[in-house]
Amino acid sequence: AQKITQTQPGMFVQEKEAVTLDCTYDTSDPSYGLFWYKQPSSGEMIFLIYQGSYDQQNATEGRYSLNFQKARKSANLVISASQLGDSAMYFCAILLGPDGNKLVFGAGTILRVKS
Amino acid sequence: GAVVSQHPSRVICKSGTSVKIECRSLDFQATTMFWYRQFPKQSLMLMATSNEGSKATYEQGVEKDKFLINHASLTLSTLTVTSAHPEDSSFYICSAKGPIGLPGNTIYFGEGSWLTVV
Repeated sequence: AQKITQTQPGMFVQEKEAVTLDCTYDTSDPSYGLFWYKQPSSGEMIFLIYQGSYDQQNATEGRYSLNFQKARKSANLVISASQLGDSAMYFCAILLGPDGNKLVFGAGTILRVKS
Repeated sequence: GAVVSQHPSRVICKSGTSVKIECRSLDFQATTMFWYRQFPKQSLMLMATSNEGSKATYEQGVEKDKFLINHASLTLSTLTVTSAHPEDSSFYICSAKGPIGLPGNTIYFGEGSWLTVV
């Protein structure tokens, strides 16, 4: 079975500190893509970062970086210098299939940034 | 960047009626669109994958006669909730797969639609 797991239902972080949101996945596909999305209370899905299974380097996008450990099948999101506006639900997702036609989401992690 | 527009953003309908939600890719041709359902504080559950010009592929447990999906053109997919019941009340969100070339940005989401059935 192919699945994606986020073990942290909720996380707190102090403003300006870094936080790591965990994500592990299980797939037998050799080619896949990993996404992180942010969903504020408005409901929109905001793309944060992407990591391809064949990418040699960890992806980075501004304050977001992805700690990709392929052998462990983990793709943790690191948010540096947390801001109050980072408070939201965060989803990890995996894109599967030869045509990349199936995007499966984890359960999500609610992040709260404290001032 | 690419934009996917979803309409309506909020809709209230009476039990037993049908309601249609549209998902449009505004500046690219989307050969594949996805429909998700999300309950409060839960994850997105894939309902179906729609490919332009062919029948949608429904996930296990999703009633295809209840949730009609039509992908009539490369820029429009519609989800029709037929004979709506209060338990169909949910947040429905679509996404569109863009052209090959930018892997990290080829899945674009609409703004979502809040459906309330009374």
